[in-house]
Amino acid sequence: KQEVTQIPAALSVPEGENLVLNCSFTDSAIYNLQWFRQDPGKGLTSLLLIQSSQREQTSGRLNASLDKSSGRSTLYIAASQPGDSATYLCAVPGGSEKLVFGKGTKLTVNP
Amino acid sequence: GAGVSQTPSNKVTEKGKYVELRCDPISGHTALYWYRQSLGQGPEFLIYFQGTGAADDSGLPNDRFFAVRPEGSVSTLKIQRTERGDSAVYLCATRSPNTEAFFGQGTRLTVV
Repeated sequence: KQEVTQIPAALSVPEGENLVLNCSFTDSAIYNLQWFRQDPGKGLTSLLLIQSSQREQTSGRLNASLDKSSGRSTLYIAASQPGDSATYLCAVPGGSEKLVFGKGTKLTVNP
Repeated sequence: GAGVSQTPSNKVTEKGKYVELRCDPISGHTALYWYRQSLGQGPEFLIYFQGTGAADDSGLPNDRFFAVRPEGSVSTLKIQRTERGDSAVYLCATRSPNTEAFFGQGTRLTVV
């Protein structure tokens, strides 16, 4: 059974800092991994999708890496801004096309 | 539409009542999912449709929960005899051909 763990559960940083969010999964037989952002009371916004054949994906100040063999992914946020404050979730396929999510990392970027 | 649309955005109902939650998917996305998210948790899978049929309903917690997608587009999640423990955010998602998942804004269900 696929399980996803995200560390840390919460993170508070000053504006401008570079930061790394971690995601680990127990079953490495995945075909992709997806990072999402969730603002309070809102749905999920897709940030990055990494296919299993890729090692990383970049979008603006965001960079996500994937190491299937070790069951890990990281989301790197450069030059953080207060507008980056949100909960970040990672998800991997868990069989029959469904996604299995971690509990998320709640990020607060202080002005 | 441009994205996944869910209605209503909020629903308050009394214990024991029946509710329906609606999802309008991204046009052309054949795979549709329902998830449930409790406070402080990640979304948990409920049911997956491929076209009109439920390909996997293993996440439905009990027989009070049912979902349909009669024409392969709009889907409705139905909850009978609601209980306070059903209170959560119900999220709908569709998947693009490259396997990227797109979520709606969710319906916040509160059972009082």
